[in-house]
Amino acid sequence: EVQLVQSGAEVKEPGESLKISCKGSGYSFTSYWIAWVCQMPGKGLEWMGIIHPGDSRTRYSPTFQGQVTMSVDKSISTTYLQWSSLKASDTAMYYCARLSSTSASATFPEHWFGPWGQGTLVTVSS
Amino acid sequence: QSVLTQPPSASGTPGQRVTISCSGSSSHIGSSYVYWYQQLPGTAPKLLIYRSNQRPSGVPDRFSGSKSGTSASLAISGLRSEDEADYYCSTWDDSLSGWVFGGGTKLTVL
Repeated sequence: EVQLVQSGAEVKEPGESLKISCKGSGYSFTSYWIAWVCQMPGKGLEWMGIIHPGDSRTRYSPTFQGQVTMSVDKSISTTYLQWSSLKASDTAMYYCARLSSTSASATFPEHWFGPWGQGTLVTVSS
Repeated sequence: QSVLTQPPSASGTPGQRVTISCSGSSSHIGSSYVYWYQQLPGTAPKLLIYRSNQRPSGVPDRFSGSKSGTSASLAISGLRSEDEADYYCSTWDDSLSGWVFGGGTKLTVL
């Protein structure tokens, strides 16, 4: 079974750093892009960016470029989302999701998000 | 303000058919597939429809998707109480070179 398991909830103060994780299992981890999607409290979904675990290539949404860093550790099939200095506005649920498609040659528009991790709630408050 | 426009809410009684719309522009819906996700309360989203009108295995055929021009729709027939959830449309945006979502529609089963 394909699974993405995320790290637990975090409570941080403004200005602190944070790294949350997403561990994949049940498939060839280095063959599929991983996306990060955020959901602010009571709000909708927003795509943050993607990372390829095979070679660490990344593509960020302009909204999140420079605000977060995505990384990967292939040896433990885990991708990370990192902040160097949190703000209260970073308070949200963060989901990782595997990019899937019907063929290996599919372009990005032909990919969808799934399966998803269970989410990591990040609360930033003084 | 989401790039894709969905009604904030929809409702129906058990057994009814409801549709949820998703509208956009030529730079996204008009040129790409549409995907629909269901988010049950307190859980992660789940893929419901891919490639505008395809159902993943395990998704009941009560759920169907369609797309025409710069708009898409999700239809749910034979409404059940367990369908009460938030529904999001999503597609690729050529201008952004990334994915965009609708603002979500909260479906209430009366």
